[in-house]
Amino acid sequence: QQQVKQSPQSLIVQKGGISIINCAYENTAFDYFPWYQQFPGKGPALLIAIRPDVSEKKEGRFTISFNKSAKQFSLHIMDSQPGDSATYFCAPYSGGYQKVTFGTGTKLQVIP
Amino acid sequence: DAGITQSPRHKVTETGTPVTLRCHQTENHRYMYWYRQDPGHGLRLIHYSYGVKDTDKGEVSDGYSVSRSKTEDFLLTLESATSSQTSVYFCAISGDKKNIQYFGAGTRLSVL
Repeated sequence: QQQVKQSPQSLIVQKGGISIINCAYENTAFDYFPWYQQFPGKGPALLIAIRPDVSEKKEGRFTISFNKSAKQFSLHIMDSQPGDSATYFCAPYSGGYQKVTFGTGTKLQVIP
Repeated sequence: DAGITQSPRHKVTETGTPVTLRCHQTENHRYMYWYRQDPGHGLRLIHYSYGVKDTDKGEVSDGYSVSRSKTEDFLLTLESATSSQTSVYFCAISGDKKNIQYFGAGTRLSVL
């Protein structure tokens, strides 16, 4: 049972452009919505996260948009840079079940 | 990588041989996890531990066993490696706030 659907699988963006990655979920018990960033040869690391009581959170060039009624949240990378090239995972968490569910990942390539 | 050391970092082995991967943490975190990462599947939970000698199965536990005799060490054993277990294995830890996980650098395992 796939509870989390992440899209697209891969994304190529020109330097300076906007990268958008989406995560749709089914489980209404999720109450914490993070994005992880993984560089080649490294483990994933927390990038940014949002709680369901707000609709948007911005940290530098990275923004999470959260739509509770649609059960989806998105990662926006403004002014994308080659250094942003990585794989991104959504990983919503349920405090009730104390469980993280990882999306399948999006490989982002930012070309000069 | 948040005080997490995985060893070995790379291993090549033959089908049918036993393999043990080690995860060592210096953060004194209670929860430890083993994941495997494969293209198109993202991160899949193999086993996890919620304390010394307390472990439980994840979604892809068949063919794997774990042990945790000390807070800082979590071992993953493939009793008889198969080619389908060729993958990158990640250890992760989390504290009482299990909504955030911290990952090691991974072990790349090839079973020939």
